Amino acid sequence: AQKVTQAQTEISVVEKEDVTLDCVYETRDTTYYLFWYKQPPSGELVFLIRRNSFDEQNEISGRYSWNFQKSTSSFNFTITASQVVDSAVYFCALSFSGNTGKLIFGQGTTLQVKP
Amino acid sequence: DSGVTQTPKHLITATGQRVTLRCSPRSGDLSVYWYQQSLDQGLQFLIQYYNGEERAKGNILERFSAQQFPDLHSELNLSSLELGDSALYFCASSVGSGRTDTQYFGPGTRLTVL
Repeated sequence: AQKVTQAQTEISVVEKEDVTLDCVYETRDTTYYLFWYKQPPSGELVFLIRRNSFDEQNEISGRYSWNFQKSTSSFNFTITASQVVDSAVYFCALSFSGNTGKLIFGQGTTLQVKP
Repeated sequence: DSGVTQTPKHLITATGQRVTLRCSPRSGDLSVYWYQQSLDQGLQFLIQYYNGEERAKGNILERFSAQQFPDLHSELNLSSLELGDSALYFCASSVGSGRTDTQYFGPGTRLTVL
């Protein structure tokens, strides 16, 4: 069965600290896609990144970086030098079926960045 | 702004009632997805339409139905509402219909059933 686990329910850091959000997934498919979305207090879901199962290169976008490791079925997200505006709920998601794009979401990690 | 619009933003109704949630996808997107976000279930996929046809179904109750119209907007109909249907309902859209496509989400409709 397909599953996404975000074991960290809540994380609290002080501004400028680095923080890593963990994501572990389960799927039997060899081709799949992984996503991260951000849900700020305003409630909308904002797309951050998409990664396919054949591309294990790490990706960096400004203060955000992602580490994809197939060997451990993990797709972790690191925020460097966190800011108060990073406070949000972050969701990891999996898309595995060729015929549909339905997403399986993890339970989300609430990140609180204190000034 | 993702380009996906949802109306209404908030909806308060009573048990047993019927409501309709509306979604307009981004320009050029052919797929529309509906998701439900609740405290106990998290974010759950309900249903996907692609170019007017149902493509996939998830944990959608029989009391719920959806459709996608020729202009590609979609409606989610919820009937015989129960207290447990209170949730945030998201619509998302993508260009294609498969796993390779990034979904962009609307702002959501918050449904409160009293």
